[in-house]
Formats: sequence, C-alpha cells, structure tokens
Amino acid sequence: AQTVTQSQPEMSVQEAETVTLSCTYDTSESDYYLFWYKQPPSRQMILVIRQEAYKQQNATENRFSVNFQKAAKSFSLKISDSQLGDAAMYFCAYRSAEIQGAQKLVFGQGTRLTINP
Amino acid sequence: DTEVTQTPKHLVMGMTNKKSLKCEQHMGHRAMYWYKQKAKKPPELMFVYSYEKLSINESVPSRFSPECPNSSLLNLHLHALQPEDSALYLCASSQKNSGWRLAGSFDTQYFGPGTRLTVL
Repeated sequence: AQTVTQSQPEMSVQEAETVTLSCTYDTSESDYYLFWYKQPPSRQMILVIRQEAYKQQNATENRFSVNFQKAAKSFSLKISDSQLGDAAMYFCAYRSAEIQGAQKLVFGQGTRLTINP
Repeated sequence: DTEVTQTPKHLVMGMTNKKSLKCEQHMGHRAMYWYKQKAKKPPELMFVYSYEKLSINESVPSRFSPECPNSSLLNLHLHALQPEDSALYLCASSQKNSGWRLAGSFDTQYFGPGTRLTVL
C-alpha cells in the first residue's frame, strides 16, 4: 500500500519570503499522480499543483513550484513571495495511475503554514 | 470551470433525525467521491461512484447511505448518526482520463466546500 509522509506538522514564514514544504511517499508503482492541496480556514480543499510521475519536468503554477525527485520518492512544494492568503493547511496526496476505475487519494497528515506579516 | 457545490454549508442534527447532504457538479465528471474529515486530519474516503455506480465503499457504517441519481448529483443520506460522526463532509469529482492513459482510469479530484455536520 502507498503511504505519504509530511514530516513538518507546522511551518511559518515571513510575508514575501520563500518556504518549502516537504513530502515523501512510498510506492512500488511507476505511473502515478502527485498533488498538493491547500485547505484554508474556509475549509475548501483547493488544488495547488499537480505532477504526473512520467514527466521529468517539475510542475509550476505562478508562485508555486515543486521539486519532484522520482528516485528519491520526494515531492516538495516551494512557495515564492509568500502572501497572507497562502496561510492554510497543505496536504500532499498520491494517486495511482495504474489502476482502473476511480481511486482514492492517499493523503499525508498535512503541514499547517502560517504567514507572518 | 472546476466547481463542485455542496449543500447545506452547516447542518446540526439529533441522533434520531434523518437528513441528507447534496453535492453537484456540472463539469461532465463521471466519478464522484464522499470524504469525511475530522479536525486537523486529512480527509478519509467513504464512497466512490463511477458512472453512477457505487465502486468503492470503505466499510462505512450503514447509517450513511450514498445515492447517485444522475451523473451530476451525489447525495449522502444520514440516519441515526452518533456524536462521533460530527465532521466536515467533502464531496469531490474527477473526469475520465483521455489519450494514452489506462482506459477506465480517472484524473484529478476537485473538491467542494464541504458540509460541516454536528450531531447532538
């Protein structure tokens, strides 16, 4: 079974600075998706960024980028120019691409990110 | 547009009540999901519907009864709940993969805003 580990329960960063959230995962599969979701106090789970395992190029979305190291099974999220609105719980998630049918997301335990003004 | 809507936003019910949660998406997604999330924890999968058929039930107690009347709508019927069932209930949907990906597999899940349920 796949597992996802987020080793930083909490992190904080000064506004406008850069922060990196860590995520490692364990799988024997070669094709899968990795995601970072953000959940602010408003509760909605918002997709931040998505990476397909077969793509070597790291995904980027504006101020958000990932460092995907497939051999090391590592998938960290870098937030540049942090803004107050980035404060949230961040979940790393894994999903198989090798199984037919709709499958569940395997989530890490989350990292709570605080932005200091 | 990646919008999934959920109603109601908040629900308070007694242990003898019957209520329903509703989830709707108009993105043409053919898989829909119910998750339960306790405070400071990640979401836990409850049910998955694929092409309007129940494909995964994560051993959820029968007091939770899902229903998928059509491809856009997903309901969760609640009856005789316990206080420990109080949680945030999240709905999600995803579309079928296209192209070279494994036939019958699904892509990114998009979540609704959730229903905060309190059982007294």
